[in-house]
Amino acid sequence: AQSVSQHNHHVILSEAASLELGCNYSYGGTVNLFWYVQYPGQHLQLLLKYFSGDPLVKGIKGFEAEFIKSKFSFNLRKPSVQWSDTAEYFCAVKNNAGKSTFGDGTTLTVKP
Amino acid sequence: KAGVTQTPRYLIKTRGQQVTLSCSPISGHRSVSWYQQTPGQGLQFLFEYFSETQRNKGNFPGRFSGRQFSNSRSEMNVSTLELGDSALYLCASSLATIRVTDTQYFGPGTRLTVL
Repeated sequence: AQSVSQHNHHVILSEAASLELGCNYSYGGTVNLFWYVQYPGQHLQLLLKYFSGDPLVKGIKGFEAEFIKSKFSFNLRKPSVQWSDTAEYFCAVKNNAGKSTFGDGTTLTVKP
Repeated sequence: KAGVTQTPRYLIKTRGQQVTLSCSPISGHRSVSWYQQTPGQGLQFLFEYFSETQRNKGNFPGRFSGRQFSNSRSEMNVSTLELGDSALYLCASSLATIRVTDTQYFGPGTRLTVL
């Protein structure tokens, strides 16, 4: 069975601080990895995804994530956060059968 | 292009009742997935439909069922509601799950409260 673990439930940062949100997954086969974001009052939307190729993927709004196969990790990063990045972030794994598993989410609060 | 729409947005039911939620995917999208989101359990996959067939199923009891129509619209039904079914039910559509890298687009959700 596949699973996703997000280490931080709530992260509080000041503007301009760097961000790294951890995500580890458990699955024996080929996986496709995603980060989603849910801004307050808005729909869940895709930030970035990895399925093959360069393990460093870039997404919207300056976010990037690195897939490290040996560590089963797909951490999300942003060099300098803004107040508007305040949101809940979800890491997700999708196997080749199309089944998705989400992590519990990390709430990011950015203080102005 | 219109996004994923879900109706109703809010619903209050009592234990033992049944409920039907509706999802209209983005035009041209053939895959619809349903998720349950709760503060304690996070986002949990319920099932996924593609071309009117259930392709994947999560670990939910048989009280949770769904279907997809020929126009790709989908409905989800929960029978014999329990207090623990209170949650935000999200629907997501994508072009096709054959390509597992397809982006899923989520709707606003239906907030179900069971009293």
